Amino acid sequence: QKEVEQDPGPLSVPEGAIVSLNCTYSNSAFQYFMWYRQYSRKGPELLMYTYSSGNKEDGRFTAQVDKSSKYISLFIRDSQPSDSATYLCAMSAWNTGFQKLVFGTGTRLLVSP
Amino acid sequence: DTAVSQTPKYLVTQMGNDKSIKCEQNLGHDTMYWYKQDSKKFLKIMFSYNNKELIINETVPNRFSPKSPDKAHLNLHINSLELGDSAVYFCASSPTVGTSGRLVYEQYFGPGTRLTVT
Repeated sequence: QKEVEQDPGPLSVPEGAIVSLNCTYSNSAFQYFMWYRQYSRKGPELLMYTYSSGNKEDGRFTAQVDKSSKYISLFIRDSQPSDSATYLCAMSAWNTGFQKLVFGTGTRLLVSP
Repeated sequence: DTAVSQTPKYLVTQMGNDKSIKCEQNLGHDTMYWYKQDSKKFLKIMFSYNNKELIINETVPNRFSPKSPDKAHLNLHINSLELGDSAVYFCASSPTVGTSGRLVYEQYFGPGTRLTVT
């Protein structure tokens, strides 16, 4: 079993829909949670970053972390065709100041006009 | 200006050959990484250097050897290439400590090098 599980999709939605992307994890030591967006044939780019439990909002994007359930979510409101990409969750435990991210397999999102 | 750059972007080579991939970052970060992304998009860390010192060395065949001549550069040399080495290799960088003095867990990725071994 992988440390981080993520449904690969694809997830197809119409423009304007609310999108929910999720990851579950098994390592209770994880404290830092990130969402990366990766367009086709490009490198991942950081979208959202959350420390510990709670919510964080940035424009149309909301990240939620529920450490008790070992579950994180990314919500996209008013989805746009330009949101079509693969979304990778990533997480890390504090490790003597050095960062080791563990990634999910990514969920491919397709937003149709 | 490109923050994290990699060369080459594409690499097609035959089994048994030796090849190198180069990475440079102009963000002033002190930590750099190599990741491998397989055909199913799974991204896995291979190595990490902090100020030219190897700090993460995952279970990777000895045929892979990273080298960091300075903290802005990280290269990856692969000997005796195999079919299973075909993947996209990403370089990334990050600061260890942010401006607030707290540990930082954000990494910035390069565009990737698509390696195809035939």
